[in-house]
Amino acid sequence: VTLLEQNPRWRLVPRGQAVNLRCILKNSQYPWMSWYQQDLQKQLQWLFTLRSPGDKEVKSLPGADYLATRVTDTELRLQVANMSQGRTLYCTCSAPTGGVQDTQYFGPGTRLLVL
Amino acid sequence: GDSVTQTEGPVTLSEGTSLTVNCSYETKQYPTLFWYVQYPGEGPQLLFKVPKANEKGSSRGFEATYNKEATSFHLQKASVQESDSAVYYCALSRPSGTGSNRLTFGKGTKFSLIP
Repeated sequence: VTLLEQNPRWRLVPRGQAVNLRCILKNSQYPWMSWYQQDLQKQLQWLFTLRSPGDKEVKSLPGADYLATRVTDTELRLQVANMSQGRTLYCTCSAPTGGVQDTQYFGPGTRLLVL
Repeated sequence: GDSVTQTEGPVTLSEGTSLTVNCSYETKQYPTLFWYVQYPGEGPQLLFKVPKANEKGSSRGFEATYNKEATSFHLQKASVQESDSAVYYCALSRPSGTGSNRLTFGKGTKFSLIP
């Protein structure tokens, strides 16, 4: 079973402040790790998939900017910045349980509330 | 791009009645279809997946048939119980060329029993 730990599990974010999220992969033979995000009342949306330590990607979406970093073989990070005031955001990481086209296993996620 | 549309929630039913959550999808390629379930405080977890058209998937009394002609994947359960209260997500994936599939989710359908 592929296991993922995330921290923090929730965070109140002062307006204008960035927040850093961590995802730790406990058990998988496959290298890919991904981030998904979800606004309140909207669908879970894929953000990034990173394979190797040192990989980085950035993305700007309405309401937030994202920077993902693959730190090690087992750690993936996400920095979320410039979030809109009053926004509630859920971020979760995932890793495949098998090869290509196989099931994604998700971590418990982090809930962010922007003050 | 890919899209998934599902029954808008919340859905509330009496214990022992039948549940149907409709799901329709759009994609240019031949996808694998998934149903995920999410309980409070947890990440989405796989209910079941179906990679081939005209086949049925099932788990925990839930089932869905991959209907390629109608581009549908409706979730059904004959008799719901308290433990079924959760948010249900329909999703699809197709080869992304990155080595790890990327899921496109519907908005989710929250189901609970009438108290």
